[in-house]
Amino acid sequence: SAVISQKPSRDICQRGTSLTIQCQVDSQVTMMFWYRQQPGQSLTLIATANQGSEATYESGFVIDKFPISRPNLTFSTLTVSNMSPEDSSIYLCSVDGQPWSSYNEQFFGPGTRLTVL
Amino acid sequence: DAKTTQPPSMDCAEGRAANLPCNHSTISGNEYVYWYRQIHSQGPQYIIHGLKNNETNEMASLIITEDRKSSTLILPHATLRDTAVYYCIVTYSGGGADGLTFGKGTHLIIQP
Repeated sequence: SAVISQKPSRDICQRGTSLTIQCQVDSQVTMMFWYRQQPGQSLTLIATANQGSEATYESGFVIDKFPISRPNLTFSTLTVSNMSPEDSSIYLCSVDGQPWSSYNEQFFGPGTRLTVL
Repeated sequence: DAKTTQPPSMDCAEGRAANLPCNHSTISGNEYVYWYRQIHSQGPQYIIHGLKNNETNEMASLIITEDRKSSTLILPHATLRDTAVYYCIVTYSGGGADGLTFGKGTHLIIQP
């Protein structure tokens, strides 16, 4: 199955600053996704990132706040900009499972735990 | 994607079968039922999926009613490591091509 890593695994940041989260996959994938999981809550899709095109954002998420890059088929970054304590969450990337599976499922990274003070 | 309803929590004794229900009464004909689970502090993990027929793999069994309005995930011999939040998701693509819409899920607690 997929090997997905995220950096950093956790961070504590001051309000007003920005943090860039990296997602690295061990094989080329077409679709990459970014999710947010607020404390005690379920996962919410932020955006879909395809290589070579602009990310597609879900309702309630905007590019100025969560800019995403997808420079190649194995890597993506999510930036959380101008952070406030409400941005404290776990941020997860995921990829479509086609290189490894025929089940059309997603594989998830371990997540980045962000705390904003 | 169709909405799903799951009980917020369930307990099960270790070694017994854990049966997790899911209602999806508005499911359309070409939507699949996918199950994922999230063990504490980890990313979600795919378990199983089905369209109409019952399915079984090395992790679990999925029973889908004939009218497809509900389903049950069965962990045949639950262990402590099965303690997790289980998500039932109805989707056209399983998430491979589109993002997933997660509900609140069921927190399954396996008791020793």
